Amino acid sequence: SQKIEQNSEALNIQEGKTATLTCNYTNYSPAYLQWYRQDPGRGPVFLLLIRENEKEKRKERLKVTFDTTLKQSLFHITASQPADSATYLCALDINYQLIWGAGTKLIIKP
Amino acid sequence: DTAVSQTPKYLVTQMGNDKSIKCEQNLGHDTMYWYKQDSKKFLKIMFSYNNKELIINETVPNRFSPKSPDKAHLNLHINSLELGDSAVYFCASSLRERALYFGPGTRLLVL
Repeated sequence: SQKIEQNSEALNIQEGKTATLTCNYTNYSPAYLQWYRQDPGRGPVFLLLIRENEKEKRKERLKVTFDTTLKQSLFHITASQPADSATYLCALDINYQLIWGAGTKLIIKP
Repeated sequence: DTAVSQTPKYLVTQMGNDKSIKCEQNLGHDTMYWYKQDSKKFLKIMFSYNNKELIINETVPNRFSPKSPDKAHLNLHINSLELGDSAVYFCASSLRERALYFGPGTRLLVL
């Protein structure tokens, strides 16, 4: 069956360290993959989009990798801050249809 | 100015009632969406709509219907509300770059 998996448990990271979140998928062949941030009581906010022919994409302290062989994307936040605490969602972009993971809750501790 | 806005933010109603949620975007996007986020936080597409095509998720009951008076608005009408309709409903919009811009959500509670 087709599915997307993100770390189901909350990820606790010490401030200043790099946080790494995982998005694994099966039986899909997305041309794009997107990452969003969602704070409690708010809508998701777009962060980064990476194409299937891109291995890595960066934006400030954020870095996304996309391995179509492993069917995995990694989302990194370097020099993490308490303000980075949120739920992070990955979404597979297949012909303009987004298939969403359930998200990983990230907690950055001071 | 808010890019994607929804009203109301909270909606509490009785089973069997009919309700509407309004959505407006001022980004000049050509596609708008309605998503449902359930208690497990999964986002599920309900509808996507641009000025040419309405795409309906076949799992959405026909009690739900989108209405778009113009490119900047996509309202959601729900007839005969059921307990299982309780969730957070998000409106979103997008343009060619594919990124979605979400509204703040409408928290619907059916009693």
